[in-house]
Amino acid sequence: DQQVKQNSPSLSVQEGRISILNCDYTNSMFDYFLWYKKYPAEGPTFLISISSIKDKNEDGRFTVFLNKSAKHLSLHIVPSQPGDSAVYFCAAITPEIIFGKGTRLHILP
Amino acid sequence: EAGVAQSPRYKIIEKRQSVAFWCNPISGHATLYWYQQILGQGPKLLIQFQNNGVVDDSQLPKDRFSAERLKGVDSTLKIQPAKLEDSAVYLCASSLIGGEEKLFFGSGTQLSVL
Repeated sequence: DQQVKQNSPSLSVQEGRISILNCDYTNSMFDYFLWYKKYPAEGPTFLISISSIKDKNEDGRFTVFLNKSAKHLSLHIVPSQPGDSAVYFCAAITPEIIFGKGTRLHILP
Repeated sequence: EAGVAQSPRYKIIEKRQSVAFWCNPISGHATLYWYQQILGQGPKLLIQFQNNGVVDDSQLPKDRFSAERLKGVDSTLKIQPAKLEDSAVYLCASSLIGGEEKLFFGSGTQLSVL
């Protein structure tokens, strides 16, 4: 049973617009969340994290929002660029890192 | 700084054969992980080492999978005998102790079992 769920397998966004990737989790005890980005034929790379004591964390074009009551987090990319085309994994530290299935983001020219 | 090195990049074997994967982590990273990523899924932890000791191997199918990190640096993951459902990308990652939220992954070994 998936404890970290990314229900959108893919997402297409116009270059320059906002990309919003969503993630839900099942266990309210989870208190630290991560986003990883993966290009084809490469391993995932760490992108951004958020602790449950915060509801927002920002790093340049990337912002992660956490809604603990809804057990939901989202990654916002503004503005979206062609190099953002990749698979994005949401993950929770439990303390083991549990990854979602990923969302493939396509940035359209 | 050199990243996590893995070899081979690709491996094709027949079911019931054996296979081994090698990983060299980033220098100074005491924690090493092996993940299995089946097509369309997220990476799943198989085993975690800290130095040469096993921290977590609860999801390692021990009847066919084994892993070692004898000198606390590089590591080998073995499958013997392989099954069709073992077809996946095997990812090695490393991290500093206390830095477990930021894993550094290698490019992986893509295994096809025919």
